Amino acid sequence: GAVVSQHPSRVICKSGTSVKIECRSLDFQATTMFWYRQFPKQSLMLMATSNEGSKATYEQGVEKDKFLINHASLTLSTLTVTSAHPEDSSFYICSATDARTSGGKNEQFFGPGTRLTVL
Amino acid sequence: GENVEQHPSTLSVQEGDSAVIKCTYSDSASNYFPWYKQELGKRPQLIIDIRSNVGEKKDQRIAVTLNKTAKHFSLHITETQPEDSAVYFCAASGTGGGNKLTFGTGTQLKVEL
Repeated sequence: GAVVSQHPSRVICKSGTSVKIECRSLDFQATTMFWYRQFPKQSLMLMATSNEGSKATYEQGVEKDKFLINHASLTLSTLTVTSAHPEDSSFYICSATDARTSGGKNEQFFGPGTRLTVL
Repeated sequence: GENVEQHPSTLSVQEGDSAVIKCTYSDSASNYFPWYKQELGKRPQLIIDIRSNVGEKKDQRIAVTLNKTAKHFSLHITETQPEDSAVYFCAASGTGGGNKLTFGTGTQLKVEL
């Protein structure tokens, strides 16, 4: 149980284009989804927290107009990197949790990640 | 907000030896402390976690200890094996922070034959 998928696993795009990444919880309902970015040999940095049906909460320094997050259902959240530039190249990982059943454990279930390369 | 520090950044041990990774956190309201193992290009994999009402937890060769007063927690791996080689991250979260995880900076563990 608690499987999270991401699509695509790898994407290469040209500078200035937009890229959409999907994060799905396959066997549970995710009340909250998180989006992380991980640069090579660095830690996971939280970009934003997304609750179903409401606007995402962005971490300080993350441009909400550049990284558009939509969490329209309890099983799907999307991250759109708009006007991507080479410095946006990174490993993007989502995670999901169901606050109603986690028993206060706050456990997050991670997707496999999306490797974005902007040329 | 929460700040998590992790040491060491790299750790090399001989197969069969023990490995210890330490983390400190700043927010006394944090109540959940997971440890993740991440292999190159893969997702973080939860290996053990502990809640603030427990001081120690063990699962086979892996154990975690938590000192709430000092705000630090540690990962202990005994009888290390080459397949334990990976990057390990500690993290902390609490309801005060919206249950979001703050990660440590990671420890590259290398288990040598």
